[in-house]
Amino acid sequence: GQSLEQPSEVTAVEGAIVQINCTYQTSGFYGLSWYQQHDGGAPTFLSYNGLDGLEETGRFSSFLSRSDSYGYLLLQELQMKDSASYFCAVKDQAGTALIFGKGTTLSVSS
Amino acid sequence: DTGVSQNPRHKITKRGQNVTFRCDPISEHNRLYWYRQTLGQGPEFLTYFQNEAQLEKSRLLSDRFSAERPKGSFSTLEIQRTEQGDSAMYLCASSSGTHYEQYFGPGTRLTVT
Repeated sequence: GQSLEQPSEVTAVEGAIVQINCTYQTSGFYGLSWYQQHDGGAPTFLSYNGLDGLEETGRFSSFLSRSDSYGYLLLQELQMKDSASYFCAVKDQAGTALIFGKGTTLSVSS
Repeated sequence: DTGVSQNPRHKITKRGQNVTFRCDPISEHNRLYWYRQTLGQGPEFLTYFQNEAQLEKSRLLSDRFSAERPKGSFSTLEIQRTEQGDSAMYLCASSSGTHYEQYFGPGTRLTVT
């Protein structure tokens, strides 16, 4: 089956850089996605890595190493509004539904 | 594009009652997913539709759960004989073309008393 591990909590200050790691075990691999969820809100897609390397989208970047079954989300120039839960996700064995990690709660302080 | 909508947003029911939730996906999206999320956990997959066909169901989806997507547009999720363990946020998502980028609705929070 599919399983993902990510830290439960991360804290940082405004303007800092934070990295959220994700390791996965899968039967078949179709790429790693990242979602953001604010408290009481819906998950929102942030990025996807299908191949090894770094994908950059504004202040957010995501990295994948398929040989290490590892990826991370890098958030730069942190802002208070970045305080949220961040989930890594892989597709299930059928390649359709997403299997999510338990999420990392990021708290940004001033 | 108004996004994915879900109704109701909140539902409180007594144990043993039946409940039905509705999801309206983004209009051009042919793929629709239902997930369940409990506090402190990531969303857990329940079922997947491509157009009107239900193509995948999770083992989490017991016989008390049924989902439909008539005409490949909106979808309904029904839970029969609710149990306290069914209390959760029920999320609907839709996508087109890819499965990794899904657009989630605001969810229906179910509380079973």
